[in-house]
Amino acid sequence: DTEVTQTPKHLVMGMTNKKSLKCEQHMGHRAMYWYKQKAKKPPELMFVYSYEKLSINESVPSRFSPECPNSSLLNLHLHALQPEDSALYLCASSQVGLEEKLFFGSGTQLSVL
Amino acid sequence: SQQGEEDPQALSIQEGENATMNCSYKTSINNLQWYRQNSGRGLVHLILIRSNEREKHSGRLRVTLDTSKKSSSLLITASRAADTASYFCATGFSGGGADGLTFGKGTHLIIQP
Repeated sequence: DTEVTQTPKHLVMGMTNKKSLKCEQHMGHRAMYWYKQKAKKPPELMFVYSYEKLSINESVPSRFSPECPNSSLLNLHLHALQPEDSALYLCASSQVGLEEKLFFGSGTQLSVL
Repeated sequence: SQQGEEDPQALSIQEGENATMNCSYKTSINNLQWYRQNSGRGLVHLILIRSNEREKHSGRLRVTLDTSKKSSSLLITASRAADTASYFCATGFSGGGADGLTFGKGTHLIIQP
């Protein structure tokens, strides 16, 4: 199984809502990532988990809260988002090592109204 | 911060022609990778070249790396309509952990049938 599965594929939420994005992989990868991508822009790194511990937080606002319950799952909890947070949110996983070849999910297209 | 800068930002060619995309980066790297993204989808890893390698081939793909100029190129030979996508270079400087990749701005490639 070489897939990274993200749910939901699309999400529309209001600025007062709380929602969660989910990501799952069964490749035995011990590194998992959240990236944010605006239209016609490159992906921007948000968070990195290594061995289920948060190792990198790229100064992401606290309205985004990541969680790694186990080595196969990664969540991104959303609360009080702003319209400018509308984007494609991509999850990825990789082996931990010198060559991080990332496997990406198809993403969650998020619209904040 | 974005390290890679792709050139050109957009490229339109006829099916069967070769497509060349360039990438420049700023800091030391362990490796440089190229990814493809179809519209609104996740990224797919294409090829990785290590910092001590100068050229690498994979099917119709040829990647070169010049660490003295901090640049790389991706050549797609005998292009097909299915090659229409955005192509991103990504640089990694992991010290053995999971540090994430930094993506360049990307080249949007259109193959005209």
